[in-house]
Amino acid sequence: DAGVTQSPTHLIKTRGQHVTLRCSPISGHKSVSWYQQVLGQGPQFIFQYYEKEERGRGNFPDRFSARQFPNYSSELNVNALLLGDSALYLCASSLGTGFLPLHFGNGTRLTVT
Amino acid sequence: EDQVTQSPEALRLQEGESSSLNCSYTVSGLRGLFWYRQDPGKGPEFLFTLYSAGEEKEKERLKATLTKKESFLHITAPKPEDSATYLCAVQARRGGGADGLTFGKGTHLIIQP
Repeated sequence: DAGVTQSPTHLIKTRGQHVTLRCSPISGHKSVSWYQQVLGQGPQFIFQYYEKEERGRGNFPDRFSARQFPNYSSELNVNALLLGDSALYLCASSLGTGFLPLHFGNGTRLTVT
Repeated sequence: EDQVTQSPEALRLQEGESSSLNCSYTVSGLRGLFWYRQDPGKGPEFLFTLYSAGEEKEKERLKATLTKKESFLHITAPKPEDSATYLCAVQARRGGGADGLTFGKGTHLIIQP
């Protein structure tokens, strides 16, 4: 069975640009979460979506937005990129929104120059 | 604010040398705790969930335990393939919308042959 897939794997952008990251969850999983992992740190929660609705949001600015599609895939959008947005962006899926294990993809490495 | 502190930050062991990793947490109502393993360039891989103090889970050479203030990941007779960063994460019990996980910075474990 395919795990969580993310695209692209690597991306280089310039300050001020916009970026869209994509995620396909494990088949049957209806919840998708996004995390940001800066080098040397643990992942930090950005969003959780379930059944196309936002169910949770971390402490990130409004430049970050996301959505979930009817097939449960998801996009994370970041506007007006800053150097500090350089990080590994992880997508995770789970069956629902309860206390369930998250299954992570291998992430998108975003570099902002 | 929920906080997770992992120690040590890095640990180098000889193959077969058992040890323990620590995860201490402060959270307003613990829903549960997760342990993940992360290899370089990969997303975190789920290992264990622990729900209540006194609970223990085992998988191969790993055993996770939970108290009211901390969790331990015990590694018995480790092998070089156990080398990875081990992440601890907590989820709080709160009403309303879903909450993401709060991760520690991880323990970087190296097992030397």
